[in-house]
Amino acid sequence: NAGVTQTPKFQVLKTGQSMTLQCAQDMNHNSMYWYRQDPGMGLRLIYYSASEGTTDKGEVPNGYNVSRLNKREFSLRLESAAPSQTSVYFCASSGTGQGEYGYTFGSGTRLTVV
Amino acid sequence: KNQVEQSPQSLIILEGKNCTLQCNYTVSPFSNLRWYKQDTGRGPVSLTIMTFSENTKSNGRYTATLDADTKQSSLHITASQLSDSASYICVVRGGGTASKLTFGTGTRLQVTL
Repeated sequence: NAGVTQTPKFQVLKTGQSMTLQCAQDMNHNSMYWYRQDPGMGLRLIYYSASEGTTDKGEVPNGYNVSRLNKREFSLRLESAAPSQTSVYFCASSGTGQGEYGYTFGSGTRLTVV
Repeated sequence: KNQVEQSPQSLIILEGKNCTLQCNYTVSPFSNLRWYKQDTGRGPVSLTIMTFSENTKSNGRYTATLDADTKQSSLHITASQLSDSASYICVVRGGGTASKLTFGTGTRLQVTL
């Protein structure tokens, strides 16, 4: 029972490079989320997908795109990385569209943009 | 603006001692309040979830309280262990869509010998 799996765990990018962060869950959850965590700040929502086939912007969506590939997988893409996107990124999933139950988080991707 | 404030920012206690972490929020409307434990280099893990009608909820040595009238919550850790060293994050879900979670910045707890 892996829960939420994120890849890669670490990544260093040069400014302007692109990359995709991968996330997969095996709990049959409907909803999936991408957050970023920065020092001294609470987790902030980038994008979410309430169900397969839908995606919506969160609090800080600029510079990111997402794809809900299927019920299991939700990817986050940085088209042209900027130093301000240096952060730890967490994928999460929840069992209902309303998130009434606890979220299950992945172990994170630590991204550095130089 | 919805906000969740936690105190203290950091805390050092001796193994075996108890401690209490505080959370004040201004999120409205309110749906539920969650406490998460985040070990260094890991994702947050849920400890408790409380709705408006719940005053207390326990998970082993962790006991969370909620006063929805004053918009305050606390997390009490009993008989601390070295493995309790982590950040503890208070999260409040407002009414409406699943996107409405407001995260606190966390309390960094260090348990020492």
